[in-house]
Amino acid sequence: DAGVTQSPTHLIKTRGQQVTLRCSPKSGHDTVSWYQQALGQGPQFIFQYYEEEERQRGNFPDRFSGHQFPNYSSELNVNALLLGDSALYLCASSSILTRQPPSLYGYTFGSGTRLTVV
Amino acid sequence: KQEVTQIPAALSVPEGENLVLNCSFTDSAIYNLQWFRQDPGKGLTSLLLIQSSQREQTSGRLNASLDKSSGRSTLYIAASQPGDSATYLCAVSSWSGAGSYQLTFGKGTKLSVIP
Repeated sequence: DAGVTQSPTHLIKTRGQQVTLRCSPKSGHDTVSWYQQALGQGPQFIFQYYEEEERQRGNFPDRFSGHQFPNYSSELNVNALLLGDSALYLCASSSILTRQPPSLYGYTFGSGTRLTVV
Repeated sequence: KQEVTQIPAALSVPEGENLVLNCSFTDSAIYNLQWFRQDPGKGLTSLLLIQSSQREQTSGRLNASLDKSSGRSTLYIAASQPGDSATYLCAVSSWSGAGSYQLTFGKGTKLSVIP
């Protein structure tokens, strides 16, 4: 049973460029959340996708956008990259319905994509 | 807004010692609490998940407790080993008020176990 798969593992981009990160959720999971983790900090919530729609969003600018596909996989897009966007980007999948507490389920995280903006 | 605090930020212990990591959260209306381990530059590995109705969970040398009313959780590691060296993150799942649930993390405790 494959866990959460993220690609690529590492990425170097130039300031002002655009980047797309990809995530395949764990088998049986239908919800994908994206997190940004700066060095020495805890992960910060970016947004969550369920049923191909953005369900909630953290305190991130519109330069951060996403998409979820019918097979539940997801993409995170970041436009106009800034040096401060350099971080580990984590994808987490879960099996929760929007109106059902995830009391029986936890979140499964991928290994992350390390983005460096130069 | 849920806030999660972890104390201490860093901890160094000799091999074999028992140790306790602390986590506190501001909103007690949580659905579960999860402890994760993170090795340098790597993703998160789930260690223990405590549902809101539970008081503790155990896995091997790890024991996590939850006191929801006081907004506290502890992770107890028995007989620490150098391989336990990592950053330990606490995260709570709570209603976001926007139609879904959100996971909020602390900044973690960096543990070093000295041989």
